[in-house]
Amino acid sequence: QQQVKQSPQSLIVQKGGISIINCAYENTAFDYFPWYQQFPGKGPALLIAIRPDVSEKKEGRFTISFNKSAKQFSLHIMDSQPGDSATYFCAASTRGSQGNLIFGKGTKLSVKP
Amino acid sequence: GAVVSQHPSRVICKSGTSVKIECRSLDFQATTMFWYRQFPKQSLMLMATSNEGSKATYEQGVEKDKFLINHASLTLSTLTVTSAHPEDSSFYICSARRGGPGREQFFGPGTRLTVL
Repeated sequence: QQQVKQSPQSLIVQKGGISIINCAYENTAFDYFPWYQQFPGKGPALLIAIRPDVSEKKEGRFTISFNKSAKQFSLHIMDSQPGDSATYFCAASTRGSQGNLIFGKGTKLSVKP
Repeated sequence: GAVVSQHPSRVICKSGTSVKIECRSLDFQATTMFWYRQFPKQSLMLMATSNEGSKATYEQGVEKDKFLINHASLTLSTLTVTSAHPEDSSFYICSARRGGPGREQFFGPGTRLTVL
């Protein structure tokens, strides 16, 4: 299976809170898991990515947690700010074939001041 | 990070005309570029994968003769929507991959196509 399931569909968080978005996958051949941030009318921007040889990666306020056995990975946004309000997409790809990204359906995050 | 540009950012055309969208990787060479289509409040839908110097690989359901893709150099890919119709109105986004499969993929800012 090529599907990547993302939840929740939408999320409202208070300023300063933690935003958590989850993704699950089926294909054990996936070995690259990026997260993208997209503002309305703009292209997605690569936020942070992880490979399955590590369980966590942190860049500033953004952290990816990866659970290989559960085939799940999540994005945590610490100290969420109104400027973080955007749609977030998880994705996965393999090194094989064309290595195309398989995207989740997206999570619309709203951070309330 | 790597920069990918798209031109134009917005285009309005009449039904039956053709529209060309350019995608450029500005600071790296991209052997592979991708073209996506995105409808409002939906995820990105891969249309085709473009490898420099070879024919594009189209996803199932995407008309090759309608969406012409050319990847003539390591920094430029073009998408031509031929004989555009109102149902082709959408947000078209390209991306460029820095390296082989499993490497980072960087997206352009998108092109909003409106067909009247």
